[in-house]
Amino acid sequence: DSGVTQTPKHLITATGQRVTLRCSPRSGDLSVYWYQQSLDQGLQFLIQYYNGEERAKGNILERFSAQQFPDLHSELNLSSLELGDSALYFCASSVRPTGGQETQYFGPGTRLLVL
Amino acid sequence: GDSVTQMEGPVTLSEEAFLTINCTYTATGYPSLFWYVQYPGEGLQLLLKATKADDKGSNKGFEATYRKETTSFHLEKGSVQVSDSAVYFCALSEWGQTGANNLFFGTGTRLTVIP
Repeated sequence: DSGVTQTPKHLITATGQRVTLRCSPRSGDLSVYWYQQSLDQGLQFLIQYYNGEERAKGNILERFSAQQFPDLHSELNLSSLELGDSALYFCASSVRPTGGQETQYFGPGTRLLVL
Repeated sequence: GDSVTQMEGPVTLSEEAFLTINCTYTATGYPSLFWYVQYPGEGLQLLLKATKADDKGSNKGFEATYRKETTSFHLEKGSVQVSDSAVYFCALSEWGQTGANNLFFGTGTRLTVIP
C-alpha cells in the first residue's frame, strides 16, 4: 500500500458525459501528479500540482482539468468524454519536487470505461 | 525532449532463469532513473531507482546500474520467480525549467515466469 488513495476504482459512463476522479496523496506529500495509461499511448503524464498550484502540464486535453484543494487532495475532471478516453488514470504524490530525485508513489488507479 | 526506450516484450522465462530488460534513455541534463512494476490489476510500485551516474539501485533481488556513457539503465535479476510475473516500466525524471519533475515512461515489458 503506497498511501495514495484514489476513488472510484471503476467508472463506467457514456460518451459526452463528465466525470470527476479523486486522489488523496500520502500524508505529508505536497505534490500530486496525474497520469493516463492507455493501450495505444502507454503511460503519459497529464498534469502536476504542488501545494495547490499547477506546476506542469503534459499531454492533457483541453476537455480535461484538475485542481488541488487546500487539504491537498486533487480532482481530475474529464468532460465531453469520448470512447478514446477509456483508460486507467493514476494519481501519484511526492513530498516536493526537488531536482527530479523525488520518488513518486502511485495510487491503485481509476479505470474509466466510456461506452 | 526526454524519452525512454524499453525492450519490447512479452518476455517468458522459466523459474530460476536470468532476467535482463533493456532500457535506454534520452535526456537533456542529468535525470534520475527508475524501474516501476505493475502486478496484475494493481497500480505502479517503485522497484528501484538511481539518481546519478554509476549508482546501482537494488531491491528484491533486482538490480540496475545508471550508465551515463551508454545512457542505459538495464534491469537484471539472477533468478526469477513465478511471483515476479508483472509489467516492468523504466522511467526517468528530470528537473525542468518550470520546476516540474514528471516521469517519462517506457512502453513497459510484460514478464511471465513459468514454473
